[in-house]
Amino acid sequence: GNSVTQMEGPVTLSEEAFLTINCTYTATGYPSLFWYVQYPGEGLQLLLKATKADDKGGNKGFEATYRKETTSFHLEKGSVQVSDSAVYFCALSDFGNEKLTFGTGTRLTIIP
Amino acid sequence: DAGITQSPRHKVTETGTPVTLRCHQTENHRYMYWYRQDPGHGLRLIHYSYGVKDTDKGEVSDGYSVSRSKTEDFLLTLESATSSQTSVYFCAISETQGAGYEQYFGPGTRLTVT
Repeated sequence: GNSVTQMEGPVTLSEEAFLTINCTYTATGYPSLFWYVQYPGEGLQLLLKATKADDKGGNKGFEATYRKETTSFHLEKGSVQVSDSAVYFCALSDFGNEKLTFGTGTRLTIIP
Repeated sequence: DAGITQSPRHKVTETGTPVTLRCHQTENHRYMYWYRQDPGHGLRLIHYSYGVKDTDKGEVSDGYSVSRSKTEDFLLTLESATSSQTSVYFCAISETQGAGYEQYFGPGTRLTVT
C-alpha cells in the first residue's frame, strides 16, 4: 500500500535560517505529491503540490521537487520567518487510490 | 477560503454516550471526508462520501458511522464513545477525486471522551 515517511520533529530554527523537511514515499503507481500546512488552531491548507516526476511545486517561498528516482519530495525554504511556525504534512494521492495518505507531520518553530 | 464549517468546535462527553459531529459546506463539492488527527499518526481517514447517500469506509472506520442526506452536510456519529476516540476531527471536501486534486479542510472539532 501507499505510505509517506517524513522527518520527525519538532524542528526549531532561528529566523532567516534555511529549512529542509524530508519526505519520502512508497506508492504502487505514479502518485501526486502534496505539502499541507497547519497553523495553530486551524485546519490544514494546501501549501504546494507536484503531479509528475521532476515537477517543482512552489508557494510563499517554499519549494519541493518531485524526485521519482529517490521517491522523495523534500520541502525547502531559503529564509524562514516566525510566521512559518506551523505543522507541515507531506501527503500523496495515487491513481486507483486517490484518497490522501498523510505523513505524521513535522512541527516547525521559528524563533526571532 | 473554502466554505466549510464544523460543529461543534469543542466537545467533552462521557464514555458510552453517542456523539454526532457535523460538517457543512457551501461549495457544492461532491466528495467529503472525515479524518482524525492524533500525535504520531498524522491524519487518518475515517469515512468518505462520493455523493448523497454514497459513503465508504476509510482506514480507521471501526466505531464510527456516517450519513449524507444532502450535498452540503456530512455527519459523523460515534455510537458509543470511547476514550480512544478522543481526538481532533477534521472534515474535508474536494470537487473530484482524482490524483492531484486538492482537498479543502474545515477548522476541526476537538473531542474529549472522559
